[in-house]
Amino acid sequence: DIQVTQSPSSVSASLGDRVTITCRASQGIRRWLAWYQQRPGKAPKLLIYGASSLQSGVPSRFSGSGSGTDFTLTISRLLPEDFATYYCQQTNSFPITFGQGTRLEIK
Amino acid sequence: QLQLQESGPGLVKPSETLSLTCTVSGGSISSNIYFWGWIRQPPGKGLEWIGNLHYSGSSYYNPSLKSRVTVSVDTSKNQFSLKLISVTAADTAVYYCARLVSAAAGFDGMDVWGQGTTVTVSS
Repeated sequence: DIQVTQSPSSVSASLGDRVTITCRASQGIRRWLAWYQQRPGKAPKLLIYGASSLQSGVPSRFSGSGSGTDFTLTISRLLPEDFATYYCQQTNSFPITFGQGTRLEIK
Repeated sequence: QLQLQESGPGLVKPSETLSLTCTVSGGSISSNIYFWGWIRQPPGKGLEWIGNLHYSGSSYYNPSLKSRVTVSVDTSKNQFSLKLISVTAADTAVYYCARLVSAAAGFDGMDVWGQGTTVTVSS
């Protein structure tokens, strides 16, 4: 099974900051990685698929990059609604696996 | 616009079977490019993939749950279901249903989610 490891587990940042979250897969997954945002009490929301494709309706301040085993999610110019928990997910093959999550908090 | 809605008991006794249904509205479950599945989230913890199936019948499960879980589809009702047998307190979680988009050689993420339903395992 392919494991995905996210870092950091939590990060503090200020409004307007740029934040980067990383995800590493235990083996090459080409570009089959997705990123989700989850706000408290809500279902996860797909932000990025295929490592860098922006899901319809997602603001362009969200971007993804990477291939193989190393991937990043970048949020530029943080807005209040961006403070949430973010998960990566490998979608290369079953069993699908999620990263442990990164909690983005207001500094 | 496609919507998913979970339904089922909120309380299940230990050793019994957890049964949930996800109703798909605004679109057909019988599409070649989608898989339908379940994800859960224990209180205060991360997301755990449970399993996915295609309307044609092919199914895939989390190895850690495979011996206890079944996902099935009812195309006539545009629904799919989850059964988890022999539950314990460790199965207490919010359970989500979601649509997984199939692509050429992988998947393009889970683009539509239900709102989630809380299931507590307790006597």
